[in-house]
Parts: sequence; structure tokens; C-alpha cells
Amino acid sequence: KQEVTQIPAALSVPEGENLVLNCSFTDSAIYNLQWFRQDPGKGLTSLLLIQSSQREQTSGRLNASLDKSSGRSTLYIAASQPGDSATYLCATSMDSNYQLIWGAGTKLIIKP
Amino acid sequence: SQTIHQWPATLVQPVGSPLSLECTVEGTSNPNLYWYRQAAGRGLQLLFYSVGIGQISSEVPQNLSASRPQDRQFILSSKKLLLSDSGFYLCAWTRGGSPLHFGNGTRLTVT
Repeated sequence: KQEVTQIPAALSVPEGENLVLNCSFTDSAIYNLQWFRQDPGKGLTSLLLIQSSQREQTSGRLNASLDKSSGRSTLYIAASQPGDSATYLCATSMDSNYQLIWGAGTKLIIKP
Repeated sequence: SQTIHQWPATLVQPVGSPLSLECTVEGTSNPNLYWYRQAAGRGLQLLFYSVGIGQISSEVPQNLSASRPQDRQFILSSKKLLLSDSGFYLCAWTRGGSPLHFGNGTRLTVT
């Protein structure tokens, strides 16, 4: 049974720093992996989707990598800004029906 | 472009009352549709998903039900709400390998 773990659970850094959020999963036979952000009281916003055949995806200051063999994905945020403060969640899908298995999230606070 | 609408945004209902939450998607056809619940301080729990009209898969046995009467409409219902049904309900859709897109959610408080 797939398990997804996100470390750390919370992170607070000064503005401008580059940072890495980690996501690990126990079953490497994933269909894809997605990173989301959730602002307090809001829905989730998809950030990056990495298919099982891909190694990384980039969008603006965000870069997500995928290493299936080690069961890891990282989300790299460059030049962090206070507006990046949110909870970041990763989720894996084992098939095309997208029954996602979720991590518990990393709550990120960027201090001005 | 595709959009997803979910309503109402907030809802306060007494224990034992019925529930109906609606979700519609625009700008696509034959999407996969999902209902999730997020309890306070907890992760996302998949409740139902649907790959087509009238096709509903339930992930968690409970007093909730879902229906898909039209291709882009997904409804979450209950005949009698419990206190434990309180939470943040999120509808989502995907199609053809696209990322999962979420609605803005419904905050349900059962009193």
C-alpha cells in the first residue's frame, strides 16, 4: 500500500532564500506525482505534474524533480517570497483514475 | 479554458438534516470527477470518484452518497447529517492526464 510522507511538516525561512520541500513514497510504481499548494481556507492549486517517465518539471521559480527508484520527489522554490507562504502537498497516483495518495503537507512560512 | 464551480462556499446545517453539494465543470467533456473531504488539521480523504455519467466509486463507507446526473455535474448528498460530517469538501476534475484541478471548496459545519 502506497504511503506518502512529507518532511518537514513546517518550515519558516526568511524572504529571498532558496528552499527544498521533500516528498517520499514507498511504492515506486507510480503513474504520476503532483505538487499542490493550499492557502488557508481555500481549495488546492496544482503547481506541477510529473509523469512517471519524467525526471523534472519547471514552472517559473518552481522546479519539481522525481526519482522513482529512490521513492523521492523534491519541490525547489527559488528566491522565496512572502506570497509563497502556504501549505504544500504532494500526491501520487498509481493509475489513470487518479486515485491520489496524499502526503500530510509542509506548512511553509516566508518571513518578510 | 476549463473552470470548476462548487457551491455553496459555506454551509451550516443541524444534525439530521439533508445535504446537497453541487459541482460543475465547464470547458471540457467526459472528465473524471472527485469529491474529497478535509477535516480540520487533517489530510485529504477521497470520498467518491466518477469516470462517467452514472458511474460512482465509493472509497469510504459512510452516510454520504454521490451522483453524476450529467457529464459535467457531480453532486454530494446525505439524507441525515452527522456531527462528524463537518469539514471542508472539495470537488476536483481531471481528464487525459492533466493535473487535478480543484474547486474552491465548501465549508460544512454540522451543529
